[in-house]
Amino acid sequence: QVQLQESGPGLVRPSETLSLTCIVSGGSMNSYYWSWFRQPAGKGLEWIGRISTGGSTNYNPSLQTRITMSLDTSKNQFSLNLSSMTAADTAFYYCAGRDYSGGYYTHWGQGTLVTVSA
Amino acid sequence: EIVLTQSPATLSLSPGERATLSCRASQSVSRYLAWYQQKPGQAPRLLIYDASKRATGIPARFSGSGSGTDFTLTISSLEPEDFAIYYCHQRSNWLTFGGGTKVEIK
Repeated sequence: QVQLQESGPGLVRPSETLSLTCIVSGGSMNSYYWSWFRQPAGKGLEWIGRISTGGSTNYNPSLQTRITMSLDTSKNQFSLNLSSMTAADTAFYYCAGRDYSGGYYTHWGQGTLVTVSA
Repeated sequence: EIVLTQSPATLSLSPGERATLSCRASQSVSRYLAWYQQKPGQAPRLLIYDASKRATGIPARFSGSGSGTDFTLTISSLEPEDFAIYYCHQRSNWLTFGGGTKVEIK
């Protein structure tokens, strides 16, 4: 059973870069797409971007100038960098995975709250 | 971007009642639509994918229908654990989610 766990700072200052890591356990990272989502408190979900185990990336067009995603299969983890943070980026951030054949995300982390404040 | 509009925003029902949730897409998504359930403090859980297929381990009281732009999630008889927020989600063009329908206890 694949399990995911996000890690990173709970507080980021305005204009700084958010760095989050998702550690994957209980299975191989191969043949999966790995994504980041976010959800402001009390609001809906937004897809941020995805990375394949081959390293190819796709980013949400509304955020793509600020996003960098990477992965390290030897450490069973993948990461998100989101630059130029503002208060509007305050949200719960989730990492998630789906296998190549499935079209939908079935494995999710518990989420981590990121607050942007001076 | 494909916009998904869910209705109603809130559904107040009693256990044992039938719940009918709607999701309308701003353009056709074919059958590339899923439904997720989310409870407070938890990650979303996939219930229905490709409009009408139940995900692994999802009880038969959950069913989905629709294609193109109009979709429905039905819970045939609400159990206490079904009171939650439900989101529709499309993967036809990038990935987007609806605003959610909260199913609350009446």
